Amino acid sequence: NAGVTQTPKFQVLKTGQSMTLQCAQDMNHNSMYWYRQDPGMGLRLIYYSASEGTTDKGEVPNGYNVSRLNKREFSLRLESAAPSQTSVYFCASRRDRGAEAFFGQGTRLTVV
Amino acid sequence: GQQLNQSPQSMFIQEGEDVSMNCTSSSIFNTWLWYKQDPGEGPVLLIALYKAGELTSNGRLTAQFGITRKDSFLNISASIPSDVGIYFCAGLYRGRDDKIIFGKGTRLHILP
Repeated sequence: NAGVTQTPKFQVLKTGQSMTLQCAQDMNHNSMYWYRQDPGMGLRLIYYSASEGTTDKGEVPNGYNVSRLNKREFSLRLESAAPSQTSVYFCASRRDRGAEAFFGQGTRLTVV
Repeated sequence: GQQLNQSPQSMFIQEGEDVSMNCTSSSIFNTWLWYKQDPGEGPVLLIALYKAGELTSNGRLTAQFGITRKDSFLNISASIPSDVGIYFCAGLYRGRDDKIIFGKGTRLHILP
């Protein structure tokens, strides 16, 4: 019963470095999401994917790119990390016709 | 863009007290969701609401979907220590787009 799996759990980057956050779900869900969580700001939607092959911008997409590699995997890439991208990143997935989004455990990213 | 205003931002209550929090939106949703987040974990769904006026309970939790479709509230009765955490409202318009937008959260503290 893996659900939504995110890797890595923790990461420290230097300003300007790039990295990809990985997310995979084993529930055969069509919709997948990336959020960032900052103190006092709640969860803000970065990008989402309603189905394999489609992606759409959310509330805060600048500085990020995504790739829906297949139905299971949805990755988030930071091409040139900035300190403002220090945050906890959550991936989630949701089945069609359902409301519940299932979340991963999060990736805590620090950019120095 | 869509915004959810969640209040209060934080609450300090005595064990056994009832709790009420609410969420208002600048946009109409056809689904309201209430999540709880424990420290170091991803959010977990508590209640989903699908129709305007709907009142739904889950144990000591009760939530309502506002008639205008722009608001929702969550009540917790007879609070216990494990209720501590962050509560998020979220809105979704199923069938139009696939975005799930979250409020900034209500942090619940229970005093000994």
